[in-house]
Amino acid sequence: KQEVTQIPAALSVPEGENLVLNCSFTDSAIYNLQWFRQDPGKGLTSLLLIQSSQREQTSGRLNASLDKSSGRSTLYIAASQPGDSATYLCAVRGGANSKLTFGKGITLSVRP
Amino acid sequence: DGGITQSPKYLFRKEGQNVTLSCEQNLNHDAMYWYRQDPGQGLRLIYYSQIVNDFQKGDIAEGYSVSREKKESFPLTVTSAQKNPTAFYLCASSILSSGANVLTFGAGSRLTVL
Repeated sequence: KQEVTQIPAALSVPEGENLVLNCSFTDSAIYNLQWFRQDPGKGLTSLLLIQSSQREQTSGRLNASLDKSSGRSTLYIAASQPGDSATYLCAVRGGANSKLTFGKGITLSVRP
Repeated sequence: DGGITQSPKYLFRKEGQNVTLSCEQNLNHDAMYWYRQDPGQGLRLIYYSQIVNDFQKGDIAEGYSVSREKKESFPLTVTSAQKNPTAFYLCASSILSSGANVLTFGAGSRLTVL
C-alpha cells in the first residue's frame, strides 16, 4: 500500500528565503506525482505535475523534482513571499487511471 | 468560466439526518471524485466515477452514497450510518487519458453535525 509522507508538518520562514518542501513515498512504481496548494478553507489548486519519466518541472518561482528510485520529490520555492503562505500537499498516482494517494501536507508561513 | 461548483459551502446537520452535497462540473471531464479532509490529515477518497452510471468505492465509502446520472454531476449523500461526518468535503474531476490527468478541485463543502 502506497504511503506518502511530508515532514515537517509546519514551517515558518522569513520573506525572501529560498525553501524546499519534501515529499517521500514508499512504492517507487508511480505513474506521476502532483503538488497542490491549499489556502485555508479552500479547495486544492494544482501547482505542478511530474510524470514518472520526468526529473523536474518548473513554473515561475516553483520547481518540483522527482527521484523515483529513492521515493522522493521536492518542491523548491524561490524568493518566498507572504502570499506563498498556504498548505502544500503532494500526491502520487500508481497507474494511469488509478487513485491519488495524498500526503498530509506542509503548512507554510512566510513572515514579512 | 470552466470549473467545479460545490454547494452548499457550509452545512449543518442534526444527528440521524441524511444530507446531500452537490458537485457540478462544466469541464467535460470524464472522472469525478469525492474526498474527505480532516484537520491535519491528508485527503481520503470516498467514491469515484469514471463514466456515467458507474462508480467505485474509495478507501472510506462506508456511510456514504453517490450517483452519476449525468456526466456533469456527482452528488454525495452523507447518511446517518456515517458515525463521524463532521469534515471538509472536496469534489474533484479529471480527464481520463494517459499523460496529464491533472485533478481540478472545487472549493469544498464544510459539514458540521450538531
